[in-house]
Amino acid sequence: AQSVTQLDSQVPVFEEAPVELRCNYSSSVSVYLFWYVQYPNQGLQLLLKYLSGSTLVESINGFEAEFNKSQTSFHLRKPSVHISDTAEYFCAVIGVNNNDMRFGAGTRLTVKP
Amino acid sequence: EPEVTQTPSHQVTQMGQEVILRCVPISNHLYFYWYRQILGQKVEFLVSFYNNEISEKSEIFDDQFSVERPDGSNFTLKIRSTKLEDSAMYFCASSSSLGNEQFFGPGTRLTVL
Repeated sequence: AQSVTQLDSQVPVFEEAPVELRCNYSSSVSVYLFWYVQYPNQGLQLLLKYLSGSTLVESINGFEAEFNKSQTSFHLRKPSVHISDTAEYFCAVIGVNNNDMRFGAGTRLTVKP
Repeated sequence: EPEVTQTPSHQVTQMGQEVILRCVPISNHLYFYWYRQILGQKVEFLVSFYNNEISEKSEIFDDQFSVERPDGSNFTLKIRSTKLEDSAMYFCASSSSLGNEQFFGPGTRLTVL
């Protein structure tokens, strides 16, 4: 089975500062990787995903993540955050050819003015 | 844009009662899932369902739980005799293929008194 570790439970940053949310995974098979965002009192929304191809993937709202197979990481970055980015961010992994998605514990990103 | 819907948004029940949580997955999706998120904790995989049968389940998904696709559109999670520790947000998800992006519903908040 796969597992995910999100090293930071909370990340407070000031508006317009850069941010990195860390994610490491463990798996004995090839994986697909995802970042989901959860705004207060809402469900999970897909932010970005890595399935294959370019190891750098981007979202429409300025986030990016890089799949690093050697370091088994899929860190999420944004060069300049907004107040509206305040949310819980979950890294998730699923093995190719299985459907048991495993989530990390989540990182609460709080953007302060 | 197609989306996963869930009803009810909030369910309050007495300990020992049966509850049924309902989901309508995206219409052309073939894989269906239930996840649970206890307040303040990570999202946990419960079960996946494909071709009218359970394909994978976690250790959480014991004999108290069951899933069903009673017709061509609904996907239900039944908890036979609820316990206090079943209080959580329950998310339904669906995907078009194995290992692909899972689309999540808004969740049902279950409160067991």
